[in-house]
Amino acid sequence: AQSVAQPEDQVNVAEGNPLTVKCTYSVSGNPYLFWYVQYPNRGLQFLLKYITGDNLVKGSYGFEAEFNKSQTSFHLKKPSALVSDSALYFCAVRDKGNKLVFGAGTILRVKS
Amino acid sequence: EAQVTQNPRYLITVTGKKLTVTCSQNMNHEYMSWYRQDPGLGLRQIYYSMNVEVTDKGDVPEGYKVSRKEKRNFPLILESPSPNQTSLYFCASRGDDYEQYFGPGTRLTVT
Repeated sequence: AQSVAQPEDQVNVAEGNPLTVKCTYSVSGNPYLFWYVQYPNRGLQFLLKYITGDNLVKGSYGFEAEFNKSQTSFHLKKPSALVSDSALYFCAVRDKGNKLVFGAGTILRVKS
Repeated sequence: EAQVTQNPRYLITVTGKKLTVTCSQNMNHEYMSWYRQDPGLGLRQIYYSMNVEVTDKGDVPEGYKVSRKEKRNFPLILESPSPNQTSLYFCASRGDDYEQYFGPGTRLTVT
């Protein structure tokens, strides 16, 4: 079965600094990878996806992610963090039956 | 506006009292699913439906039922809720672009 791992429970970054939220994957075949964000008391919102093509994927709210096949990683990045980026971030991979398999989530805290 | 709606948003109930959480989407998506979110476990799929009258178990289906009588609706049924079903539940639908759209969530407490 496909799986993803988010090795950090929490990431802290100062406003204006670059941020990275890590994700590694384990799949058979070509991976379909996703990032979602969850703000307090809200549902999950789609940020970006990698299916094929360029390894650098650009998404919503200035986020981007880099697909690295050799390292089996799909880290989420943003050049300059905002306080409003503070939220819970989930990496996910498509499994058979078109379901999404989610990581445990990473809390991002951006301090001013 | 494209959206997935769920009701109720919050529910406190007692063990054994049957309940239904409704889910509806207005995007004409064929694929819908239910997830539960628990701290440290991420989201786990309960059931999914590829189309009307076609449903299948996800990773944690025990204690749940679903039905898909029409494309837009996908209710989640707990016939006899137990405290271990206390969780945050999300309904989602998916289009051809593989992007899943999530509802706002239903926080269920079973005492």
